[in-house]
Amino acid sequence: NAGVTQTPKFQVLKTGQSMTLQCAQDMNHNSMYWYRQDPGMGLRLIYYSASEGTTDKGEVPNGYNVSRLNKREFSLRLESAAPSQTSVYFCASSLGQGRDGYTFGSGTRLTVV
Amino acid sequence: QKEVEQNSGPLSVPEGAIASLNCTYSDRGSQSFFWYRQYSGKSPELIMSIYSNGDKEDGRFTAQLNKASQYVSLLIRDSQPSDSATYLCAVLPGNQFYFGTGTSLTVIP
Repeated sequence: NAGVTQTPKFQVLKTGQSMTLQCAQDMNHNSMYWYRQDPGMGLRLIYYSASEGTTDKGEVPNGYNVSRLNKREFSLRLESAAPSQTSVYFCASSLGQGRDGYTFGSGTRLTVV
Repeated sequence: QKEVEQNSGPLSVPEGAIASLNCTYSDRGSQSFFWYRQYSGKSPELIMSIYSNGDKEDGRFTAQLNKASQYVSLLIRDSQPSDSATYLCAVLPGNQFYFGTGTSLTVIP
């Protein structure tokens, strides 16, 4: 089982460029999440999808958009990257809205210059 | 006030000792509590979950929950150098997790 797969693992963007982070899970989980992790700030929720066809904002949604393409895939898009979006991004999934805990992907380290 | 508070450490213990990690949370309605371990440069991995007051043991790990005092703790017995990592406390008050900033643990051989 691959679990949660994120691509790419590393990315450098120039200010104003756009990109999409991809996430796919093969565990038949219903809920998927995007977090960012910054030093001293911990993990902060950007967006989540409780089930296929639904998405909701988390704690820090500004500057991001998401798409729940199907049950397996949940993508995160930065339309116009800013240096403040330099971070490590984690995708996660859970069977039942987190009550059984999350499985995390390996992360994407994004630098915006 | 942050939803979940942890002492950032670093916490250092000698090999074979008990490491004690603590976490407090603000939402009294929280029902589910988790501990994740994160090695440097890696993603968090779930090591313990606890839902009821009291202790829950899994191998060398014991999670303790006290809802009246709003704290969760993790004890690691017989600490090993491989336990050196950052430990994240996570609380689920509704349908969204809140994570603490983590406690860095170093086990000294």
